Amino acid sequence: DVKVTQSSRYLVKRTGEKVFLECVQDMDHENMFWYRQDPGLGLRLIYFSYDVKMKEKGDIPEGYSVSREKKERFSLILESASTNQTSMYLCASSSPYRGRFRVGTEAFFGQGTRLTVV
Amino acid sequence: AQKITQTQPGMFVQEKEAVTLDCTYDTSDQSYGLFWYKQPSSGEMIFLIYQGSYDEQNATEGRYSLNFQKARKSANLVISASQLGDSAMYFCAMSPVRSGYNKLIFGAGTRLAVHP
Repeated sequence: DVKVTQSSRYLVKRTGEKVFLECVQDMDHENMFWYRQDPGLGLRLIYFSYDVKMKEKGDIPEGYSVSREKKERFSLILESASTNQTSMYLCASSSPYRGRFRVGTEAFFGQGTRLTVV
Repeated sequence: AQKITQTQPGMFVQEKEAVTLDCTYDTSDQSYGLFWYKQPSSGEMIFLIYQGSYDEQNATEGRYSLNFQKARKSANLVISASQLGDSAMYFCAMSPVRSGYNKLIFGAGTRLAVHP
């Protein structure tokens, strides 16, 4: 059974703390993504990675950084957590290979991490 | 700019009837994929259906079909014979191909309620 696993289901952190959210996939996927999900705003892309050590900013990268040292692991880092980063964080992975146009397969998602910053 | 727009924050439908969830997209890329996902109250993201930009036929998967109108940049999801278990959030997503890699961007979602 294919899996994307996020390290924590719930996290409570203090303002100013450095926070690490970990995501591991076992499907040998090249693409990995971090989203935050807020009511009425859908899933907003924070960062994505299309290969080891390769990363691209998404739509809301401010206040976040990422690390991908191994293919299966993609970490999201909140450098100095703030209350406006309280949210549900979703990790996903996909393969870029679908037909000849590399439009990507469907993404597989982790169970999400609900982060509360107090 | 690459963007997905879902204009219906909420929809309701009677059980056994069909419902259409709207999705429009904006991209200048020639190659892209379009996806629909379902998110029930449990929070998991469930992949429903895929449409490629070069596919000539509309995609179908069981009770789900995708009404793809490329010139209008729309990719509406049609659910036939609605069931109570279809009550959930539905997200439209796009995967444009640019510079050899693809990102995956989502719309704001539509909450569907199926009434008995």
